[in-house]
Amino acid sequence: GEDVEQSLFLSVREGDSSVINCTYTDSSSTYLYWYKQEPGAGLQLLTYIFSNMDMKQDQRLTVLLNKKDKHLSLRIADTQTGDSAIYFCAETADYGGSQGNLIFGKGTKLSVKP
Amino acid sequence: EADIYQTPRYLVIGTGKKITLECSQTMGHDKMYWYQQDPGMELHLIHYSYGVNSTEKGDLSSESTVSRIRTEHFPLTLESARPSHTSQYLCASSATSLLAGAPYEQYFGPGTRLTVT
Repeated sequence: GEDVEQSLFLSVREGDSSVINCTYTDSSSTYLYWYKQEPGAGLQLLTYIFSNMDMKQDQRLTVLLNKKDKHLSLRIADTQTGDSAIYFCAETADYGGSQGNLIFGKGTKLSVKP
Repeated sequence: EADIYQTPRYLVIGTGKKITLECSQTMGHDKMYWYQQDPGMELHLIHYSYGVNSTEKGDLSSESTVSRIRTEHFPLTLESARPSHTSQYLCASSATSLLAGAPYEQYFGPGTRLTVT
């Protein structure tokens, strides 16, 4: 079945770059996503990438996709304390009646130290 | 900003009680979802709906039930709450049209934190 794997924790210093990694199993996924969850809140879409792209940049965020290795990463430049949150990688589920559902990773908790 | 609401935000209730968690959205989205989130962060899809009168079970078996009588409303009910139901419950919705926003983007409510004593 489809699966998305992420490391659970990452700690960085304010001003450094953060890189959060994810691997997925379904090579037919059309889109891959990064969601952010702040304490006490629901998830919010940060960015997404179409599967035929290698890279997408959006201000401080850079998404890299290595389709051959099924590896997705999110780089946050100049990480701030406000970036402390849980980051979820997700892929589209493209099987049977679940088309359009998302498969989420377990989440990476990013802690930013001042 | 997403217009999806959940009530109550926090609920502490005794074992055996019947509870309904409310979820409503004003975006006209056809598809809606319920997730259960572990204290360890992992999300589990427990129910989803394609539209009015449609309900489907998710990947994680759940004793809860859902209904979809109106497009904007997707309540979740537990007939008899147990301590094992203690968790965070997140509701989400998405448009079925690929022209609206990011493809398959799910908009999440703020969640209901349920504690069953």
